[in-house]
Order: sequence, then structure tokens, then C-alpha cells
Amino acid sequence: KAGVTQTPRYLIKTRGQQVTLSCSPISGHRSVSWYQQTPGQGLQFLFEYFSETQRNKGNFPGRFSGRQFSNSRSEMNVSTLELGDSALYLCASSFGDNPYEQYFGPGTRLTVT
Amino acid sequence: AQSVTQPDIHITVSEGASLELRCNYSYGATPYLFWYVQSPGQGLQLLLKYFSGDTLVQGIKGFEAEFKRSQSSFNLRKPSVHWSDAAEYFCAVGQDSNYQLIWGAGTKLIIKP
Repeated sequence: KAGVTQTPRYLIKTRGQQVTLSCSPISGHRSVSWYQQTPGQGLQFLFEYFSETQRNKGNFPGRFSGRQFSNSRSEMNVSTLELGDSALYLCASSFGDNPYEQYFGPGTRLTVT
Repeated sequence: AQSVTQPDIHITVSEGASLELRCNYSYGATPYLFWYVQSPGQGLQLLLKYFSGDTLVQGIKGFEAEFKRSQSSFNLRKPSVHWSDAAEYFCAVGQDSNYQLIWGAGTKLIIKP
């Protein structure tokens, strides 16, 4: 079974631009969670989607948004990029009935200049 | 608030020596417990999990962990480390209320030849 895939793997953007990251979960998984990982802050939870609905949300500004499609694929969007948004963005999928057992993709490395 | 503590930021171990990484959590009920490993620039890989039952759980790559309710701990062990085990290790705890994993800050494992 294929693992979680994330595209693109690397991205360089300029302050003020917006970016969309994509995540395809493991087949059969209905829950997708997004995390931001930085050296200073560690792993921080952004949001979790289940059956196209946002089920849980972390403490991030409204510039960070996401959505999930009927095939469980998910996207996250960051508008008006700031230098501090430079990070590794990780997507994880789970079956949904136990959302804690999460399987991670390789991440998207976003650099904001 | 629930929290997960990994008291050691870095641990250095000689190749072939035994390893124990510590994880303590604060949570009233028996939580779901996980250990993940992350190689540089990569996503997180699930090493092992504890939901209930036998408190000693076996994982991949020769790792095991023991749940001790009285100490609120879930320490990760390996009898003999290999240079390929050099990575960062994260402990995570699932809480029922909002489908969110609570993460430790991670322990970076350095292997001495």
C-alpha cells in the first residue's frame, strides 16, 4: 500500500505571496492532520480533517487554512506569507476511528524569503 | 493541560550499547501512547504504539517500550544501537477530547562509533 504523499517536496516563496500544499493519504484513511515543524517550536498541530470536515484546529492565525476533498486528499493554504512561516509542513493520515495512530508523509519544506 | 515531557534534548550512545529514551506525560486516564522516529529532512515514522493490554510493546527496528501507569511513563528502549539509529525520537500522547496528539519536544540520538 502506498504511503502518504506530499507535493511539492520543496518550495521557495517570497513574503506576501500565498502557497498551497497538497497531501494524499494512505488509501482507506479518512483523517488527515497537518503539522508545522520548526527547530525552535518543534511539532505544532495546525488542523485535522475527517470526511471533508475540519474536526480540530490548532492555535494558528487565519492565514492558515485547509480543506479536504471527497477522496480524502487534503490541501493547506497559507496566505500573505511571513518569514516565520518557513518550516517543514507535515501531513499525516489515519483511519479516522482512531485518529491518533498517524502515518506521516515526507513533508514539504517551505522557505519564505 | 495535558503535556508530554522528554527530559533529554540530546543523548549520545556508543554503537552497540543499550539505549533508553524517557517520556513522561500528564493525563488522567490511560492515554494512547506512541513513539515516532524522524531522520533529518524526513517525515516521522511510527515505531510503536500502546493502547491497552500488555504494558511492554514491541515495535519495528528492534525497539520496545514499557508503559508504567504509576510513573506516567512510556520509555523507549533498544538493547544494542546501530549507527543507523541516529535520528530524532518523538513521544506522543493521544487524548480523547479533541482527536489531537500531544507531542514531546523530541530527543536527538547521537551514535558514537
